[in-house]
Amino acid sequence: LAKTTQPISMDSYEGQEVNITCSHNNIATNDYITWYQQFPSQGPRFIIQGYKTKVTNEVASLFIPADRKSSTLSLPRVSLSDTAVYYCLYVKGGATNKLIFGTGTLLAVQP
Amino acid sequence: EPEVTQTPSHQVTQMGQEVILRCVPISNHLYFYWYRQILGQKVEFLVSFYNNEISEKSEIFDDQFSVERPDGSNFTLKIRSTKLEDSAMYFCASSFTTSGKTNTGELFFGEGSRLTVL
Repeated sequence: LAKTTQPISMDSYEGQEVNITCSHNNIATNDYITWYQQFPSQGPRFIIQGYKTKVTNEVASLFIPADRKSSTLSLPRVSLSDTAVYYCLYVKGGATNKLIFGTGTLLAVQP
Repeated sequence: EPEVTQTPSHQVTQMGQEVILRCVPISNHLYFYWYRQILGQKVEFLVSFYNNEISEKSEIFDDQFSVERPDGSNFTLKIRSTKLEDSAMYFCASSFTTSGKTNTGELFFGEGSRLTVL
């Protein structure tokens, strides 16, 4: 099974940049790295996905080093509404249609 | 923005009763999923469904569970004889393609159906 490791929790203040790092030492050549966000009592929501180097969208950036054994989700200028659990996952390219969630990182943003 | 809708939002049932949870996936999506989340725990994969058949299922998805796409729009999860440990939030999700394909493998989750078994 795909195994990722990320901090259980992080604290931040409004307006700060938050970086959440995930390690995935057993990632395979055709695996993609995906991040989801979950608010309490809601379903997970896709944030960003990448294979290598850097990917940026309107919500976040994803940095993946050359060895791909880790990845960092970067949230610029967080607000109180970014308080949520953030999940790092990796999925087989084209070969599976399920996601295996870990325990995630609970990000608490304070005023 | 298209979304996955689930009903009911909350259902309370007695142990041993049958429960059906309903989902309407996004209309042009081809892959459908059920996940569950016991309170305070992680999101767990139950089953995925494609081309009118189960494509993958977890060890949680035993003979008490079944899924169906009866009419081309609804996707249902049936629990035949509920147990106390089935109490959880059940999430339906859909995707246009498999989760490994960049930019198109995104899973869209519904708001969930909270099942309470007494």
